[in-house]
Amino acid sequence: AQTVTQSQPEMSVQEAETVTLSCTYDTSENNYYLFWYKQPPSRQMILVIRQEAYKQQNATENRFSVNFQKAAKSFSLKISDSQLGDTAMYFCAFIAGGTSYGKLTFGQGTILTVHP
Amino acid sequence: SAVISQKPSRDICQRGTSLTIQCQVDSQVTMMFWYRQQPGQSLTLIATANQGSEATYESGFVIDKFPISRPNLTFSTLTVSNMSPEDSSIYLCSANGQANTEAFFGQGTRLTVV
Repeated sequence: AQTVTQSQPEMSVQEAETVTLSCTYDTSENNYYLFWYKQPPSRQMILVIRQEAYKQQNATENRFSVNFQKAAKSFSLKISDSQLGDTAMYFCAFIAGGTSYGKLTFGQGTILTVHP
Repeated sequence: SAVISQKPSRDICQRGTSLTIQCQVDSQVTMMFWYRQQPGQSLTLIATANQGSEATYESGFVIDKFPISRPNLTFSTLTVSNMSPEDSSIYLCSANGQANTEAFFGQGTRLTVV
């Protein structure tokens, strides 16, 4: 079974600054994918960034980047130049290959507040 | 990416009644998933819905309480039966994306049972 752990229930950052959200996971799979999802108060789950486990290069999407440490089973999200619209709950999530395609395991979530 | 329409977006229901939530995808997908998100909590998978077969339920969830239909490759429903206040949650459907390695979500249904 897979587990995903987010140890920061809440984080805050000043607008325009950088913040890093932590995530660790545990799996015996070799083929898997990791994600960060954002959930604003609207409840919509929005995919922020995706990382394939077989790729050593860290994924980046504009102001969002990850630090993927496969041996340490760590997958942190860095948000640069934070904006007020980044305020949301952030979930780290995991999909294993094989028969569990598409089935996500989520971490507990981190509430991020961006202050003006 | 897949666009998923979920309805209703919210409802307030009396205990003992049932509510059916609908989820429509704009393209054919193999697997659809139903999650529950209790207040302030993370998402927990209820079941996986495959077209043409019975849904597969996760531990702690049973078909009598959460019957699921999957009549075709673009549509699914989740019914929350015989509701109690403990069923008050957000319910989300999702569908697999490219190569079955990512998931897209509907807007969620906020259910309040009184």
